[in-house]
Amino acid sequence: EAQVTQNPRYLITVTGKKLTVTCSQNMNHEYMSWYRQDPGLGLRQIYYSMNVEVTDKGDVPEGYKVSRKEKRNFPLILESPSPNQTSLYFCASSPTAAEQFFGPGTRLTVL
Amino acid sequence: GENVEQHPSTLSVQEGDSAVIKCTYSDSASNYFPWYKQELGKGPQLIIDIRSNVGEKKDQRIAVTLNKTAKHFSLHITETQPEDSAVYFCAATTNDYKLSFGAGTTVTVRA
Repeated sequence: EAQVTQNPRYLITVTGKKLTVTCSQNMNHEYMSWYRQDPGLGLRQIYYSMNVEVTDKGDVPEGYKVSRKEKRNFPLILESPSPNQTSLYFCASSPTAAEQFFGPGTRLTVL
Repeated sequence: GENVEQHPSTLSVQEGDSAVIKCTYSDSASNYFPWYKQELGKGPQLIIDIRSNVGEKKDQRIAVTLNKTAKHFSLHITETQPEDSAVYFCAATTNDYKLSFGAGTTVTVRA
């Protein structure tokens, strides 16, 4: 089944404790992206990648890092999480960036 | 950067009636306008999109219209059904890679 998977789906952590949210797609898509969703703000793009080893900032990249060492994986790294990074995170992939396929989401709480 | 405003934030319609959601964008260079539907507990899913060289596009009960002069685009859902209840997001971009989303519209279809 063609899909985008994210892990973990739910995470509660404390300020300053490094964490990684994994994202994997099995559709051989070149384009992948991370978004955060907050009430009243919609979806905001954090980082995107147009291919292996090619990444670029979205609208809200501060406090996040990404890497794209293989086509299928695009992990999101929070090296020192803060409470304002509490949010619902979505990974997406696309063959062209035009039609994006979203994962099921990761709900992160930073205490 | 691109700024997308979406109205209304909530919309309640009687089953069988039409629903209209409107979005405006700020960057006149934007050329791709997708609409995503997000059901409860799931990631957004593309339902229809339009490019700037087209004024209207239809797909069964949904249609999107684009007015480039006024920099606004709208989603029309006809003959609404209970399964149309969801959160709808509009988006705009100049290059497909960096999507800017509206804040979302929660649509409730009353039986």
